[in-house]
Amino acid sequence: QKEVEQDPGPLSVPEGAIVSLNCTYSNSAFQYFMWYRQYSRKGPELLMYTYSSGNKEDGRFTAQVDKSSKYISLFIRDSQPSDSATYLCAFHTGNQFYFGTGTSLTVIP
Amino acid sequence: NAGVTQTPKFQVLKTGQSMTLQCAQDMNHEYMSWYRQDPGMGLRLIHYSVGAGITDQGEVPNGYNVSRSTTEDFPLRLLSAAPSQTSVYFCASRGTGFNIQYFGAGTRLSVL
Repeated sequence: QKEVEQDPGPLSVPEGAIVSLNCTYSNSAFQYFMWYRQYSRKGPELLMYTYSSGNKEDGRFTAQVDKSSKYISLFIRDSQPSDSATYLCAFHTGNQFYFGTGTSLTVIP
Repeated sequence: NAGVTQTPKFQVLKTGQSMTLQCAQDMNHEYMSWYRQDPGMGLRLIHYSVGAGITDQGEVPNGYNVSRSTTEDFPLRLLSAAPSQTSVYFCASRGTGFNIQYFGAGTRLSVL
């Protein structure tokens, strides 16, 4: 079993839609839960991170962590064409980061 | 405000050639890492360093060599390039403990 599982998509939605991106993980030692956004031919950039179970909101983005189910989600409200990118979930424990394979999202104007 | 700078952006090599991918950061970060990104495989850690003079292997270290003589620089050397090393390579840096990891723009490498 992989430590991190992420549906690669691709996901295509109309502008204004609510987007839900998800990852599951198996390592109970993961302490920080992150979402990175990667535009085409660019490096990943941190979008949000959280330490605990529950929700964390930042503008149109909400990160949700359920440690009991080992499941994290990223919700994007009122999606915009500029949100078109690959979204990678990531986890941190000790000195190591563990990344999902990424979900490709296209928001159609 | 440069952050993490990688050079070159693109490179084509022939099998058996060697080369060095350069990475420099100006944030005085202790931790630096090299990842490769392949379709369907996500980001995989090649080597990392927790400070000048200290390096360690990641998930996929074979065929790569690193050294860290200064805090700012962390070059990645391909000793004898193979087609399996065709990939996009990212360098990243961060401070100590949990901290935001900053990535460079990547080097796209093709080995023919």
